[in-house]
Amino acid sequence: KQEVTQIPAALSVPEGENLVLNCSFTDSAIYNLQWFRQDPGKGLTSLLLIQSSQREQTSGRLNASLDKSSGRSTLYIAASQPGDSATYLCAVGGSASKIIFGSGTRLSIRP
Amino acid sequence: KAGVTQTPRYLIKTRGQQVTLSCSPISGHRSVSWYQQTPGQGLQFLFEYFSETQRNKGNFPGRFSGRQFSNSRSEMNVSTLELGDSALYLCASNITPGLVGYTFGSGTRLTVV
Repeated sequence: KQEVTQIPAALSVPEGENLVLNCSFTDSAIYNLQWFRQDPGKGLTSLLLIQSSQREQTSGRLNASLDKSSGRSTLYIAASQPGDSATYLCAVGGSASKIIFGSGTRLSIRP
Repeated sequence: KAGVTQTPRYLIKTRGQQVTLSCSPISGHRSVSWYQQTPGQGLQFLFEYFSETQRNKGNFPGRFSGRQFSNSRSEMNVSTLELGDSALYLCASNITPGLVGYTFGSGTRLTVV
């Protein structure tokens, strides 16, 4: 049974810092891994999708990496801004065609 | 290109009542998944439909049911509502199940009083 863990549960950093959010999963037989952002009371916004054959994806200040063998993914945010404050969720897609979510990292960027 | 549309956005119901939530996927998407999000349990998978057939079901009681229509729109029904059913219900669409990334709607906030 796939389990997805995100550490830390909460993170607060000053504006301008680079930061890394972590996601680990127990079953390496995945189709893809997706990072989402969720603002309070809102739906999920897809940030990056990494297929199982890929090692990383980049979009603007965001870079996500995937290491299937170790069951890990990281989301790197460069030059953080207050508008980056949100909960970040990773979701693993597997053979059962459903995605398993981590519990999220609540990120706060201090001005 | 329109995104995933969920209606209504907010809903208040009384214990024992039933409720129906609606999700219209992105045009051309035939897979619709439903998730329940609560502060204590996080995001939990309810079920997935593809071409009007339920392909997968999560660990929820039979009070939770769904269906998908020929135009790929999906509805989720919860009968005999309990206080613990209060949650944000999210719908996600995909071209086909599991192969590419999912796009989520804004959700329906259900409050049971």
